[in-house]
Amino acid sequence: GPKVLQIPSHQIIDMGQMVTLNCDPVSNHLYFYWYKQILGQQMEFLVNFYNGKVMEKSKLFKDQFSVERPDGSYFTLKIQPTALEDSAVYFCASSPRDRGSNERLFFGHGTKLSVL
Amino acid sequence: GQQVQQSPASLVLQEGENAELQCNFSSTATQLQWFYQRPGGSLVSLLYNPSGTKHTGRLTSTTVTKERRSSLHISSSQITDSGTYFCAIITGYQNFYFGKGTSLTVIP
Repeated sequence: GPKVLQIPSHQIIDMGQMVTLNCDPVSNHLYFYWYKQILGQQMEFLVNFYNGKVMEKSKLFKDQFSVERPDGSYFTLKIQPTALEDSAVYFCASSPRDRGSNERLFFGHGTKLSVL
Repeated sequence: GQQVQQSPASLVLQEGENAELQCNFSSTATQLQWFYQRPGGSLVSLLYNPSGTKHTGRLTSTTVTKERRSSLHISSSQITDSGTYFCAIITGYQNFYFGKGTSLTVIP
């Protein structure tokens, strides 16, 4: 089936550094998402992105977070600077555009971020 | 507030028993999807079921949109079914909200 790829699978950084998480969504999908999951807990919505813009973001999407998808490249989540509480697994997801008939969400395998 | 409530929070079954997982949501949901996650794994889409009843293999989902609820029935559970099952709904700008999940453990 359709695949969402995330790079890297694990990232270890020191607190205060910048980190960029990369996502390669399904090729014909136009809605992109980032979710945060702390070990074994709920999937927390961070942000969704469509047509080059942030459509909706949650309270967890702090000012230190930003997303973009330059043409033809990865959909990225940047955290600058990182904090200890940013340690989690970050999942990227994508969905087709056709609302009402096909809005399934496809997930990547996640990037485990460890902030030391 | 919490838009998606799942019950039970955890469930232990013997192999071969059936499981019934519930999902209730407080907002108007235009779409609903059930996911499975193995510990430390990614989310796998099980069923996309905005309304009515859908089947795939040993899984059956029934969604009653007006009553804002959905169920996931797993028949003849197997040890490999162990993991966490999430219900997610779409609201707003095609945003998916997740419940806290039901942790299923199937024992021999």
